[in-house]
Amino acid sequence: SQQGEEDPQALSIQEGENATMNCSYKTSINNLQWYRQNSGRGLVHLILIRSNEREKHSGRLRVTLDTSKKSSSLLITASRAADTASYFCATGRSGGSYIPTFGRGTSLIVHP
Amino acid sequence: DGGITQSPKYLFRKEGQNVTLSCEQNLNHDAMYWYRQDPGQGLRLIYYSQIVNDFQKGDIAEGYSVSREKKESFPLTVTSAQKNPTAFYLCASTPGQGGYGYTFGSGTRLTVV
Repeated sequence: SQQGEEDPQALSIQEGENATMNCSYKTSINNLQWYRQNSGRGLVHLILIRSNEREKHSGRLRVTLDTSKKSSSLLITASRAADTASYFCATGRSGGSYIPTFGRGTSLIVHP
Repeated sequence: DGGITQSPKYLFRKEGQNVTLSCEQNLNHDAMYWYRQDPGQGLRLIYYSQIVNDFQKGDIAEGYSVSREKKESFPLTVTSAQKNPTAFYLCASTPGQGGYGYTFGSGTRLTVV
């Protein structure tokens, strides 16, 4: 399976600061997705970036993808306490059935 | 509003019991998935189904069973053969294959007592 691995495992910042987390993967992908999980809840899809895209924005979120380095980053600008959650990346295989696999996530704590 | 409903939210299982977790979606999605999440871990795929009456094993299918008799429903049975079932179980769906974002349910927390 093509497990994405997030880095760092934990991140603690103050409200208003930017938060950056990274995802690395090992093989070719169709696209890469980022999800947020609040404690004890399901995952919420944040953004999908395709392998032919390099950058994508959604509100305060900015995702980059570097297929040559097999890595992606998620930037949350002007963070808020409500951004406190775990963030996961999911990668899918090129060709065949698309079954994303998930890493262990980055646990983000935003202090008010 | 469309979405995925998982029930119950909390479930307690005695040793040797089978229990069934419910997952229902009204999104008209073709594909449905079951994942298991342990504390501090990522999601591990148990089973998935891309069409009614068909399903495939994921990475950790042993001790679990599923059915897909209706497009809207994908129940997961945790059998007594699953020796360490205590975990958070997540159901998800996508419109089909190929690069769609997942919609997740809110999860079922299963505890062995």
